[in-house]
Amino acid sequence: AQSVTQLGSHVSVSEGALVLLRCNYSSSVPPYLFWYVQYPNQGLQLLLKYTSAATLVKGINGFEAEFKKSETSFHLTKPSAHMSDAAEYFCAVTGKAGTALIFGKGTTLSVSS
Amino acid sequence: GAGVSQSPSNKVTEKGKDVELRCDPISGHTALYWYRQRLGQGLEFLIYFQGNSAPDKSGLPSDRFSAERTGESVSTLTIQRTQQEDSAVYLCASSLGGTSYNEQFFGPGTRLTVL
Repeated sequence: AQSVTQLGSHVSVSEGALVLLRCNYSSSVPPYLFWYVQYPNQGLQLLLKYTSAATLVKGINGFEAEFKKSETSFHLTKPSAHMSDAAEYFCAVTGKAGTALIFGKGTTLSVSS
Repeated sequence: GAGVSQSPSNKVTEKGKDVELRCDPISGHTALYWYRQRLGQGLEFLIYFQGNSAPDKSGLPSDRFSAERTGESVSTLTIQRTQQEDSAVYLCASSLGGTSYNEQFFGPGTRLTVL
């Protein structure tokens, strides 16, 4: 079985500061990991995914995440926050192709000027 | 091209009534998923369709919930005798196929409010 824990339901940063959103997973099989973003009143959009290739994954809008098996983590980072990054971010895991994603509860990112 | 569409965007109903939510996946996507997002919670998996295979219904919370899909096109999620705890955003997603880790594309959701 798989599960995801996102540490911090709300993260606030200043514009230009580092963004770090934490995700830890539990999986009995090699995991496949995803980060999705949900802007207000919009559907979920894939930011990036890890599917057992490179452990450092680059996504859209300058985001990246590093898969660390020893720490069972897949934290999302961005070197410099932009006001447009304010949104809710979801980490998700699946262990088997063609099965549903297991989502964390989400982290709301606020960016102040 | 067109993304995943869902209708209605908002639905307000009274406790005990039945509701139907519709999802139009991206053309050519054989896999279709329904999720539920309750306030302050992550997304909960409800049901998964892949081609003509029997659906994975393991996430349906009760027998009041059911879903159908016609071939590889439209899907309908039906909730019978709605309860207040059914209030949530219901999200539909589709992907190219069930045998690879293709991206799931999400629709905008249907916000269901049960009074």
